[in-house]
Amino acid sequence: DTGVSQNPRHKITKRGQNVTFRCDPISEHNRLYWYRQTLGQGPEFLTYFQNEAQLEKSRLLSDRFSAERPKGSFSTLEIQRTEQGDSAMYLCASSLNTRSGYTFGSGTRLTVV
Amino acid sequence: GESVGLHLPTLSVQEGDNSIINCAYSNSASDYFIWYKQESGKGPQFIIDIRSNMDKRQGQRVTVLLNKTVKHLSLQIAATQPGDSAVYFCAENPDRNNDMRFGAGTRLTVKP
Repeated sequence: DTGVSQNPRHKITKRGQNVTFRCDPISEHNRLYWYRQTLGQGPEFLTYFQNEAQLEKSRLLSDRFSAERPKGSFSTLEIQRTEQGDSAMYLCASSLNTRSGYTFGSGTRLTVV
Repeated sequence: GESVGLHLPTLSVQEGDNSIINCAYSNSASDYFIWYKQESGKGPQFIIDIRSNMDKRQGQRVTVLLNKTVKHLSLQIAATQPGDSAVYFCAENPDRNNDMRFGAGTRLTVKP
């Protein structure tokens, strides 16, 4: 296992389309996090899972956003009816527990045109 | 609301000099802090962490200082190298059951 893997690396979509991103965490990490990062800003928390349970969702996660982590392994983040404001880098991270550093993936850069 | 922030958005240093990147936090309940380095096009990379029961922690060429009295964190990089050029974020964990919260970052540029 070489780290957190995110796919695709880049996604360009037309406004109104749905997109889905995938994150494969480090296999022994039971916590998985999604963050969004816009240019010049720090990552903003979206949601996190402990195993398959989604334990917290940010107010940033509107009803157009949904995340899943079936079987507590990989996770998907879906954005429905994309808007230009959704353009950002979507980062996934995993950790063993709350007192260990996160390992981030390289992110999926979404551009909504 | 309470948040993590940084004093300076940019820092430029000469190669070989020491760098100091500062971070202020306002949530007195935070008891765990991490510094991350982010290079262009990549995700943040863990550098060093510190718990609130410590005021200093050292790694390889890096030192994190925590002053809980004034809610201040700093990252010191010794003998800064061109490869250290990146954006540096501090992050805090205000609730051990929840996630890390990030500040806006400081861009470090190392001049040869």
